[in-house]
Amino acid sequence: GEDVEQSLFLSVREGDSSVINCTYTDSSSTYLYWYKQEPGAGLQLLTYIFSNMDMKQDQRLTVLLNKKDKHLSLRIADTQTGDSAIYFCAESPLSGGYNKLIFGAGTRLAVHP
Amino acid sequence: DAGVTQSPTHLIKTRGQQVTLRCSPKSGHDTVSWYQQALGQGPQFIFQYYEEEERQRGNFPDRFSGHQFPNYSSELNVNALLLGDSALYLCASNIRGLGYGYTFGSGTRLTVV
Repeated sequence: GEDVEQSLFLSVREGDSSVINCTYTDSSSTYLYWYKQEPGAGLQLLTYIFSNMDMKQDQRLTVLLNKKDKHLSLRIADTQTGDSAIYFCAESPLSGGYNKLIFGAGTRLAVHP
Repeated sequence: DAGVTQSPTHLIKTRGQQVTLRCSPKSGHDTVSWYQQALGQGPQFIFQYYEEEERQRGNFPDRFSGHQFPNYSSELNVNALLLGDSALYLCASNIRGLGYGYTFGSGTRLTVV
C-alpha cells in the first residue's frame, strides 16, 4: 500500500537542531522528498534523496534514509524562526512509468527564542 | 523562467455549482498533476496528465475531471460541488520519467458555501 506517516508537531529552541521523522511504505519510490509549506502558501521543495543513497547534505539540511526500515529524516541545523512552517515528507511510487507523490500529514515545526 | 502558474488564486462557489481551475506548467515540463489539500492535511493526489491523457488517478469521484492541452497546460473541473470540496488545489509539473523535478504552483483556494 501507499502510506506516509509523520509526527504532527515539533517545538525547538532557536539555534538548536530540528529532526523531523517520516516512515513510508512503497519500496518502488525512486526518490523521497521534503517539502516546506508556510501559512497560506504552496509547497516549496526543500530537498530530495535518491533511494540508493543513505545521506544527503545541503547547507543546513541533512537527509538520512534507512531503506530497510523505510525511514526518512530531515535534520535542520541551527534552526531559525524563519524555519517555522509545516514540513511534508513524500514518497513517489512508480506505476507504468509515471510517478505520483504521496504525502504525509505534515509536521508543524515551531521555533521559539 | 516562470514556474508553475495557477489561476485563479481564490474562488468562492455555491454548493452544486461547477468550477474550472487552470494550470500552466513550468517551461520544459510535459506532465501535470493535480492535488487537493484540505485544511490541516497533506496534499492528496487527484490525477496526472501526460500527452493529453489521464495516466494515473487517485481515489476521487468522477465529479473530478481534467484536461491537458497541446501546450501542456491543464484544467481541473469539479462538478456538483460539495462543501467538502473546499480546499487548496495544487498543480505540479515535471518531466515524465524524471522523479526529482516536481514543481508546485501556489495553488487555488476554493471555498464552497
